[in-house]
Amino acid sequence: AQSVTQPDIHITVSEGASLELRCNYSYGATPYLFWYVQSPGQGLQLLLKYFSGDTLVQGIKGFEAEFKRSQSSFNLRKPSVHWSDAAEYFCASDLNTGFQKLVFGTGTRLLVSP
Amino acid sequence: ETGVTQSPTHLIKTRGQQVTLRCSSQSGHNTVSWYQQALGQGPQFIFQYYREEENGRGNFPPRFSGLQFPNYSSELDVNALELDDSALYLCASSLGSSGSGDEQFFGPGTRLTVL
Repeated sequence: AQSVTQPDIHITVSEGASLELRCNYSYGATPYLFWYVQSPGQGLQLLLKYFSGDTLVQGIKGFEAEFKRSQSSFNLRKPSVHWSDAAEYFCASDLNTGFQKLVFGTGTRLLVSP
Repeated sequence: ETGVTQSPTHLIKTRGQQVTLRCSSQSGHNTVSWYQQALGQGPQFIFQYYREEENGRGNFPPRFSGLQFPNYSSELDVNALELDDSALYLCASSLGSSGSGDEQFFGPGTRLTVL
């Protein structure tokens, strides 16, 4: 069965430091992969997505993610974190089943320290 | 361009009651999906509607049902509420019938508490 794992429940990063959030997917073929961010009281906002092609994907707000087939991973990175990046981050996958069904990980809460 | 809106924002019900949650999709979008997000968890797919027909369903019992209207707005109905139904219910809309890959735009959600 399709699943997404985010091994880190919480991560604390100093403002200005780099960030990497981990995501692993479990599926035989390559699914579509997404990263979403959720701030308190807000819906989910798409940061970036990977379908095929270039394995390094650029997104909004300075985020990027790298797809590594050999590791079944799709880690999210940002070179310099801002206090406004504090939020919950979700990795999700979508198999090409004929309808859109996102399978989400359990999320990683990012805390940014001064 | 109006984004996805949901009503109500918060709702408190008692066990055994029924509830209806509403979603207005983003302008021009013909597909609506519903997700349940329990506290501390990622969202879980409930079902999806495309042009007023259900075209995909997750692992939720039949007491979770829905509708999509000609203007592509949608309702989620939950009967015989259970304590475990307490969650944030998210609606997402997208444009397309091609299946996976279309970007889904999420609303802010409805927080349902079942006592």
